[in-house]
Amino acid sequence: NSKVIQTPRYLVKGQGQKAKMRCIPEKGHPVVFWYQQNKNNEFKFLINFQNQEVLQQIDMTEKRFSAECPSNSPCSLEIQSSEAGDSALYLCASSPGETLYFGSGTRLTVL
Amino acid sequence: QQKVQQSPESLIVPEGGMASLNCTSSDRNVDYFWWYRQHSGKSPKMLMSIFSNGEKEEGRFTVHLNKASLHTSLHIRDSQPSDSALYLCAASMGGSNAKLTFGKGTKLSVKS
Repeated sequence: NSKVIQTPRYLVKGQGQKAKMRCIPEKGHPVVFWYQQNKNNEFKFLINFQNQEVLQQIDMTEKRFSAECPSNSPCSLEIQSSEAGDSALYLCASSPGETLYFGSGTRLTVL
Repeated sequence: QQKVQQSPESLIVPEGGMASLNCTSSDRNVDYFWWYRQHSGKSPKMLMSIFSNGEKEEGRFTVHLNKASLHTSLHIRDSQPSDSALYLCAASMGGSNAKLTFGKGTKLSVKS
């Protein structure tokens, strides 16, 4: 079973509302990734962190997306003003090296 | 932009049969390939990885890599109904922090 903990499992928001999801990486894994998996199973890389610092990120969808990974607190991904197209499974993964270990994901539905 | 193409999109094999899945990267800078398996409603789990030319076998699973053509394939022998899942190929430019680019996956159904 995955030791990457994501909450909540399901999130339902109206258009324009803020959506926030959290991730606790596996202990000892310094690198954290966020991916978006849409209904067509397409994965979109969003951002990755190493020890709280951003390593790479996409142009965070017109700045509506933000993420952080503070020390001693869960990592988080926030969508400031949700749109219907943001409906997807958001997967957090942590890594001790090359292999990614995924959490169960947060399924966001934007009505 | 790096693309990872997988084929076929879906595959049906009989129980006990051989499943063969393909994956090609369009980015010549790619060094590392992974195969992940995602059962319905679950998160992806790493199945196998390959970084060098040649073949690697783990139980019923064999993965091949041809770095010159940036092509990898996954073969599952003696397929079981529990192997029914979405198989995702991912590639990266190497390094422990590098992002993985995923293909759209091959949906495998093993019929008993």
